[in-house]
Parts: sequence; structure tokens; C-alpha cells
Amino acid sequence: IAGITQAPTSQILAAGRRMTLRCTQDMRHNAMYWYRQDLGLGLRLIHYSNTAGTTGKGEVPDGYSVSRANTDDFPLTLASAVPSQTSVYFCASSGTGGAGANVLTFGAGSRLTVL
Amino acid sequence: GQNIDQPTEMTATEGAIVQINCTYQTSGFNGLFWYQQHAGEAPTFLSYNVLDGLEEKGRFSSFLSRSKGYSYLLLKELQMKDSASYLCAVRDSNYQLIWGAGTKLIIKP
Repeated sequence: IAGITQAPTSQILAAGRRMTLRCTQDMRHNAMYWYRQDLGLGLRLIHYSNTAGTTGKGEVPDGYSVSRANTDDFPLTLASAVPSQTSVYFCASSGTGGAGANVLTFGAGSRLTVL
Repeated sequence: GQNIDQPTEMTATEGAIVQINCTYQTSGFNGLFWYQQHAGEAPTFLSYNVLDGLEEKGRFSSFLSRSKGYSYLLLKELQMKDSASYLCAVRDSNYQLIWGAGTKLIIKP
């Protein structure tokens, strides 16, 4: 693993199903983020975690949940998927403090289609 | 509300120079970032400005004027591989990043 790994790369999902997007980083970054990217809109923050054991809500948290049991993993769960959650999801991480703060490293993305 | 404005799309010629503008209205300011995103790929960090002025990094430069809420990304000696979207983001008073929708740059031979 080098950087951030996301899985799955792509998924088609029936509405109402539960889905977990996985994210793992090997950079020992404290902060991790989940964004969604939709055509014509900027990246929108769903949830974030400043350090293991803590999480916070971003701009568009409804319908999503996260956990941060350890430094490396930050899964995103859709409890009951709806078509408006069709999007490309990016996991990102950053060091906290100093020059590294908020310089994000992104995973390759997970393209989710909810039918 | 908070807002980041960038042109939706720009076209330039290989070997030329292009300037991509970004204007912002945010709750506070703690730095401005430019990221590059090739189609179907993840964004990658290009530059960071927190003080007024020009930051140069090879063929790419980024300028900031905090009083005008304005930044630009300058790309020189354009290459075909520079075809990508360029994302402007501002870190607000809560240290959260506010993102523009991105500027799609098309390079023609």
C-alpha cells in the first residue's frame, strides 16, 4: 500500500441497500476525510476525523456514517442507499499542524451508482 | 454564505500561457490551495498561498490578493498533459476547506 487505498473502485447498488466504502492509509496521517464529487459542484465534505477515536460532521452528513477505530482505517457507510447518493466518493488524509495541515492526499475514488 | 467562483472551462494552445482565476467569499481566511485533477483520477496538490503575492513552482505559479478575495493559477509552456480540471479551495476560519467547482482546461495542439 502506498498512500490511500479505497475499495470498491466502482459499485452499482439497489436503493435501500446498505453499503460500506473502505479507506485505508499508510502515511500515519492523523486527519481523514470523506468527500463526494458531483458534476458542476465542488467537493463536498461528508464526514471527517481529526484523530483516531473522533469523528465530525461535514457539509452533507445526512444518510452517511463513519467510524475511526484506528489511525489507518476510515470506512464510510450508507445505511440505506438512495439515488441522490449516486456520486464519486473520495477519501483523503492530511497531517495535522504545520505545513502539512490541510494539504490533502486523496484516494483514487469510489464511483457509486444507486438505482 | 461561502462561495468560490472559477470559470467552468477554458481552452488554450500547447506551448502557450493560461491564467485560471478564482474569487472567494468565505468566513475568514486561512490559506488558499490549488489542486489538479485529471479526468477519472484523484485531485493532487499543486500550490498553497497564505500571504499576498506570487508563489512560483516550475511551470506553475499561484498568486493571492487577500484584500480582493482573488487568486490565479498561471500555467506556462503548456503541455498536452496539463489538460485537467483545476480546483481552487479556501481554508476558512474553522480550518475547513471550501471548494470551487473546478475549471476544466482543454489544451489544443
